[in-house]
Amino acid sequence: AQKVTQAQTEISVVEKEDVTLDCVYETRDTTYYLFWYKQPPSGELVFLIRRNSFDEQNEISGRYSWNFQKSTSSFNFTITASQVVDSAVYFCALIGRGNDMRFGAGTRLTVKP
Amino acid sequence: GAGVSQSPRYKVAKRGQDVALRCDPISGHVSLFWYQQALGQGPEFLTYFQNEAQLDKSGLPSDRFFAERPEGSVSTLKIQRTQQEDSAVYLCASSDPQGLAGLTDTQYFGPGTRLTVL
Repeated sequence: AQKVTQAQTEISVVEKEDVTLDCVYETRDTTYYLFWYKQPPSGELVFLIRRNSFDEQNEISGRYSWNFQKSTSSFNFTITASQVVDSAVYFCALIGRGNDMRFGAGTRLTVKP
Repeated sequence: GAGVSQSPRYKVAKRGQDVALRCDPISGHVSLFWYQQALGQGPEFLTYFQNEAQLDKSGLPSDRFFAERPEGSVSTLKIQRTQQEDSAVYLCASSDPQGLAGLTDTQYFGPGTRLTVL
């Protein structure tokens, strides 16, 4: 069975603070993809990043960075110097050999000015 | 380029009515997915098409739910005899069929259709 857990339901920070969103996953597949999506108030899921199970290199894109650790089955997402526009619900997701992508329950991030 | 589009964006139905939700995928994407997102939860997989073939419908919650993609492009999700528990946002996504080692590639989502059943 595949499962994604985002233990943080809601996080509130003040602008310019750094924030880390946690994601822990379970899968029996040896080959899989992990994703992060952003869902702003408009409702559309916006793709942020994809990592495959063979590549544990951390990735940085502007203020965003991702830490993938297979040893702890985690794929955490850090926003540096948060901005009000970062306020959204963030979803971590996993897809393995099947066609059904599994999402976590999401973390609602509120960045206050 | 154009992304995934869905219509209508909002639909209100009386309990027992039939509804049809439309998805127009990204041009050239052969894989199409439908998800259901209840309020405050993550999306849940409903069904998957590769071209016109429905290869996985394991997530459809009941036989009242039916999806089709007759020409391998536009897809319609139909819900018959709607119930209040069907109220949710229905998301459509499309992707290229093959990523690493046969995995489904990155899925790009439409804006969703918010269905409210009264």
